[in-house]
Amino acid sequence: AQSVAQPEDQVNVAEGNPLTVKCTYSVSGNPYLFWYVQYPNRGLQFLLKYITGDNLVKGSYGFEAEFNKSQTSFHLKKPSALVSDSALYFCAVRDLSGTYKYIFGTGTRLKVLA
Amino acid sequence: DTEVTQTPKHLVMGMTNKKSLKCEQHMGHRAMYWYKQKAKKPPELMFVYSYEKLSINESVPSRFSPECPNSSLLNLHLHALQPEDSALYLCASSPRGGREDDGYTFGSGTRLTVV
Repeated sequence: AQSVAQPEDQVNVAEGNPLTVKCTYSVSGNPYLFWYVQYPNRGLQFLLKYITGDNLVKGSYGFEAEFNKSQTSFHLKKPSALVSDSALYFCAVRDLSGTYKYIFGTGTRLKVLA
Repeated sequence: DTEVTQTPKHLVMGMTNKKSLKCEQHMGHRAMYWYKQKAKKPPELMFVYSYEKLSINESVPSRFSPECPNSSLLNLHLHALQPEDSALYLCASSPRGGREDDGYTFGSGTRLTVV
């Protein structure tokens, strides 16, 4: 069965510091991996995806993610955090068994401190 | 237009009421989705419409009834809900149905409270 794990419920980082939000996955075959961000009382916003190609994927708002096949990880990163980055972040993998629906992680709350 | 618009933003309804949630997109997307999200949890898929046909129903109770009148509109009809159905209901769309590499565009959701 395919699954996604986000091991940290919350990540705190000081403004200006680099941030990492962790995600590991378990799939059979090639993974289709996504990151979404959710601000309070809002829907999810697509940040970036890895389908194939370069392991470093660049996305919206200065975020990037590194795909590591050997560690089955897809960590979200940003070189310099902003207070406005504070939000709930979801990692997701696509179910390739036929439905193509998302399998979401449990979410990580990022808090950037001024 | 790059948005998914959901109305109303907030809805309070009694357990005997009938109400509808609406979702609209004008991006030419051919797949539309309903998700339910409880506080501090990931979204849970409810229904998928692909090319205006219902393609996935995730064993959702019949008190939730989806409708896709055309390629731009998606409704969710609600009847005889329970308090545990209170949640944020999210609509989303994607360019093509059944494609594993498409990202979704989500609406801001309808915050539903059942009293």
